[in-house]
Amino acid sequence: KNQVEQSPQSLIILEGKNCTLQCNYTVSPFSNLRWYKQDTGRGPVSLTIMTFSENTKSNGRYTATLDADTKQSSLHITASQLSDSASYICVVSARTGNQFYFGTGTSLTVIP
Amino acid sequence: GAGVSQTPSNKVTEKGKYVELRCDPISGHTALYWYRQSLGQGPEFLIYFQGTGAADDSGLPNDRFFAVRPEGSVSTLKIQRTERGDSAVYLCASSLDRALNTGELFFGEGSRLTVL
Repeated sequence: KNQVEQSPQSLIILEGKNCTLQCNYTVSPFSNLRWYKQDTGRGPVSLTIMTFSENTKSNGRYTATLDADTKQSSLHITASQLSDSASYICVVSARTGNQFYFGTGTSLTVIP
Repeated sequence: GAGVSQTPSNKVTEKGKYVELRCDPISGHTALYWYRQSLGQGPEFLIYFQGTGAADDSGLPNDRFFAVRPEGSVSTLKIQRTERGDSAVYLCASSLDRALNTGELFFGEGSRLTVL
């Protein structure tokens, strides 16, 4: 069964600190993995897209890693800011079918 | 348009009523997706359009839900005889082409439906 699991479910960190969010998936055959940021009451916004051959991709203070062998991905946030408070969703697609498989997200709260 | 536009942003209705939610995708985007998101959950797939046709409607929960995209642009999600369990945020997303490869998928802000 194609599934995406994220951890932790929620996280609270101090402003300026780093954090890492995890995503494990069983989607097969793998096509690509995306990380989205979703602010409260808003639609998800893409942070990174990684294909099978990519191990790491950065977008400003966000760095995503992908290990296609272990089917794991992480999103590392450096020097967190209050505006990073949001839900971070891992999304995986397969090379067959029409669907994206969404994780339930990690709710991040950055406090001053 | 500049982005994916969804209307209404909020809809409160009574149980048993009919509701229509509209999605205006980015101009030229052929792929359009509808999702439903409950509080604290990730988006749940409902239906996918490629052009005017529904390429995959396997996520529609039952026959009270229906979606159309008659001209390959604007799409309308229709919910008949609404139930309290239909309360959720309905998200629309579009892509220039079939987004499952590496195409960027753009989401609207969602329509929050509350069924009393």
